[in-house]
Amino acid sequence: QLRLQESGSGLVKPSQTLALTCAVSGGPITSDNYSWSWIRQTPGKGLEWIGYIYHSGSTYFNPSLKRRVAISVDRPNNQFSLRLTSVTAADTAVYFCARGGGYCTSNSCYGTAFDLWGQGIPVTVSS
Amino acid sequence: EVVLTQSPGTLSLSPGERATLSCRASQGVNNNLAWYQQKPGQAPRLLISGVSQRATGIPDRFSGSGSETDFTLTISRLEAEDFAVYYCQQYGSSPRTFGQGTNVEVK
Repeated sequence: QLRLQESGSGLVKPSQTLALTCAVSGGPITSDNYSWSWIRQTPGKGLEWIGYIYHSGSTYFNPSLKRRVAISVDRPNNQFSLRLTSVTAADTAVYFCARGGGYCTSNSCYGTAFDLWGQGIPVTVSS
Repeated sequence: EVVLTQSPGTLSLSPGERATLSCRASQGVNNNLAWYQQKPGQAPRLLISGVSQRATGIPDRFSGSGSETDFTLTISRLEAEDFAVYYCQQYGSSPRTFGQGTNVEVK
């Protein structure tokens, strides 16, 4: 059974870079028709999709975060990662990795629901 | 950006009762609409995608309906484990967006 597990620093200083990794176990990250997303949740803004990556390396980001976000895939280690630069207190949230978001074939692109989620990792931005 | 508005914010019901949750989109989402359940301290769990397709292992007391901009999640008879927060989410356009949630609580 496929499982996702987030890891990374739970405390980041303002203006620094948040870095998280999602380890995928029980199946290959290179499966066709699946992409891999980061989503965050705060009491104030609720659930916010950050972006997703396809195993080919193609990425799609939320325009609200696009200038500060990078998502990369590590195929040999079956994991993908998030980097969010120049963080502020507003980036304090629980961060989830999830399978889904969308994918593209040679002809078309499709959206997909998020069908599997990691347990989430709380991240606090504070000095 | 597609804005999803869920109503009501809170639904107070008793076990065995029927729950009807609404999700309205600011523009059409081509039936790319999902529902999730979230319990405290847990990640959201996919219940329904494509408006009405139950995810693997989801009991048939959960059903989804609707089209274009108006969608409904119905729980036919609430069981104790169904009291939670429910979110709708669209994946028909970018950015993917979520509703603000409906809290189904014990009356």
